[in-house]
Amino acid sequence: AQSVTQPDIHITVSEGASLELRCNYSYGATPYLFWYVQSPGQGLQLLLKYFSGDTLVQGIKGFEAEFKRSQSSFNLRKPSVHWSDAAEYFCAVRASGTYKYIFGTGTRLKVLA
Amino acid sequence: GAGVSQSPRYKVAKRGQDVALRCDPISGHVSLFWYQQALGQGPEFLTYFQNEAQLDKSGLPSDRFFAERPEGSVSTLKIQRTQQEDSAVYLCASSRRGGLEQETQYFGPGTRLLVL
Repeated sequence: AQSVTQPDIHITVSEGASLELRCNYSYGATPYLFWYVQSPGQGLQLLLKYFSGDTLVQGIKGFEAEFKRSQSSFNLRKPSVHWSDAAEYFCAVRASGTYKYIFGTGTRLKVLA
Repeated sequence: GAGVSQSPRYKVAKRGQDVALRCDPISGHVSLFWYQQALGQGPEFLTYFQNEAQLDKSGLPSDRFFAERPEGSVSTLKIQRTQQEDSAVYLCASSRRGGLEQETQYFGPGTRLLVL
């Protein structure tokens, strides 16, 4: 069965520092991969997605993610974090040929001024 | 409307009560998804509609959960005889096309259900 693991429940970084949020998935073929952000009281917002092609994908708000098949990973990165990036981040996978999206348990990001 | 809307935003129910949660997707969107998000967890897939057809209901946790989208637009998630373990945020999402197209899902703000 497909699964998504986000090993870090909480991450704290200083404003201006770089950020990497980890995501590992379990799936036999190449899945469709997503990163979402959820701010308090807000709905989930899509940051970026990977379907095929270039393994480095650019998203909104200065985020990027790299698909590494050999490591079954899709880590999210940002070179310089802003205080407004404090939120919860979810990695998700959708197996090709299915309608079902599977989300990780999320990583809560705290940004120190 | 500009986005996906859900109502009510908050619902408190007594154990055993029936509840109905409404989702208004973005106008013209073919696909509609329901998710359940327990506290401290990621969203869990409940069911998927393509227009009025419910093509996947594999995530519904029990036969107390029922979803419908009779005219292919507004959807209702109904929970009968609510239990405390049903307490969660229920999220609705829609996307423009149907089938297995790889598209962006647009999420609503959710309905927070508390069962006492």
